Amino acid sequence: GDSVTQMEGPVTLSEEAFLTINCTYTATGYPSLFWYVQYPGEGLQLLLKATKADDKGSNKGFEATYRKETTSFHLEKGSVQVSDSAVYFCALTTYNQGGKLIFGQGTELSVKP
Amino acid sequence: GAGVSQSPSNKVTEKGKDVELRCDPISGHTALYWYRQSLGQGLEFLIYFQGNSAPDKSGLPSDRFSAERTGGSVSTLTIQRTQQEDSAVYLCASSSPGTGVYEQYFGPGTRLTVT
Repeated sequence: GDSVTQMEGPVTLSEEAFLTINCTYTATGYPSLFWYVQYPGEGLQLLLKATKADDKGSNKGFEATYRKETTSFHLEKGSVQVSDSAVYFCALTTYNQGGKLIFGQGTELSVKP
Repeated sequence: GAGVSQSPSNKVTEKGKDVELRCDPISGHTALYWYRQSLGQGLEFLIYFQGNSAPDKSGLPSDRFSAERTGGSVSTLTIQRTQQEDSAVYLCASSSPGTGVYEQYFGPGTRLTVT
């Protein structure tokens, strides 16, 4: 079945450091890919998305590029802030799944001042 | 406009009791999803509604779990004879397939604790 694998956390960085969170997927169809973020005490929020190969999703300084050849959708940010501390989830959905999201296990990011 | 709302925000119940969790989706969103977030299992899909019908119930973990949606809007997730392993945060999301990318908007969740 379809699945998503994320790098394990927790990840601890200093403010202004470069962030990469790896995400790879397995899908029988042609998936749409997402990154969701969950800030402490809050609900899941869509961070960015990409629907076809080579699309780049971006939001709030975060970027991820849909790489079909490597089945990857790695999340990057050039300079993290303390306010970026959260849990990040990579997810996919395909048309034949009715839109249901399949999530990775989540990666906790902690940014220290 | 208003986002997805869920009630109650917290529920503590005794093992063996039944519970009902409610979800109010964003107005006009035809698709509604239930997920469960637990420490051991991460985020798991439970059930999906398109309008009032549920074409995908594959994630419901047992026959103690059921859900319905009425009027193409509010949905209720019912857990009968709760067990301690049912303790989790239950999340509801809605989307409008017209976006073409199934972008889902999540509610704040209901934290269920079974004692």
